[in-house]
Amino acid sequence: DVKVTQSSRYLVKRTGEKVFLECVQDMDHENMFWYRQDPGLGLRLIYFSYDVKMKEKGDIPEGYSVSREKKERFSLILESASTNQTSMYLCASSGQGLSYEQYFGPGTRLTVT
Amino acid sequence: QKEVEQNSGPLSVPEGAIASLNCTYSDRGSQSFFWYRQYSGKSPELIMFIYSNGDKEDGRFTAQLNKASQYVSLLIRDSQPSDSATYLCAVNMVPGNTGKLIFGQGTTLQVKP
Repeated sequence: DVKVTQSSRYLVKRTGEKVFLECVQDMDHENMFWYRQDPGLGLRLIYFSYDVKMKEKGDIPEGYSVSREKKERFSLILESASTNQTSMYLCASSGQGLSYEQYFGPGTRLTVT
Repeated sequence: QKEVEQNSGPLSVPEGAIASLNCTYSDRGSQSFFWYRQYSGKSPELIMFIYSNGDKEDGRFTAQLNKASQYVSLLIRDSQPSDSATYLCAVNMVPGNTGKLIFGQGTTLQVKP
């Protein structure tokens, strides 16, 4: 059974804090993704990774960084959290070839105060 | 600009009716197409995917793809109140093996008892 897990369902942080969001998949997928989702703005891609230690910027990478040291784990880092980063964060993974269907984790609702 | 367009809705149908959700995409070279269902406050869940022109059926769901007209649709037969959700269309337009998908904004479906 496909499984993507995220470290927290709800998180509250203060402005300026460094925030780590972790994502783990057990499907041996090569590709992993971080999105944020806000009302009226849809899913927006922050960063993605197609291999260990490889990363590419998505549509809105500013204020974020990522780390992928192991195939199954992809971390999103907010270097200095700001209130405009309050959002739902979704991690996803997918395999190679035509089977690019992405499987999503449950999401982390982050509130920055 | 690679785009996926969906009518935001809401699309309202009575219980037992057929719901028809549509999606158009900009890149004629797109190869794979996905439909996700997202309940409020939850993460997207893959319903089905389609690669070839024509219809693909899975239970009450049918995906239809017309590459010449650049649209993909999802039909839900015998709609149930539990089908009320936002439906996201996603398209693999990006060449290479990164697995990156372009998501539409989603169509909200309301099934009324």
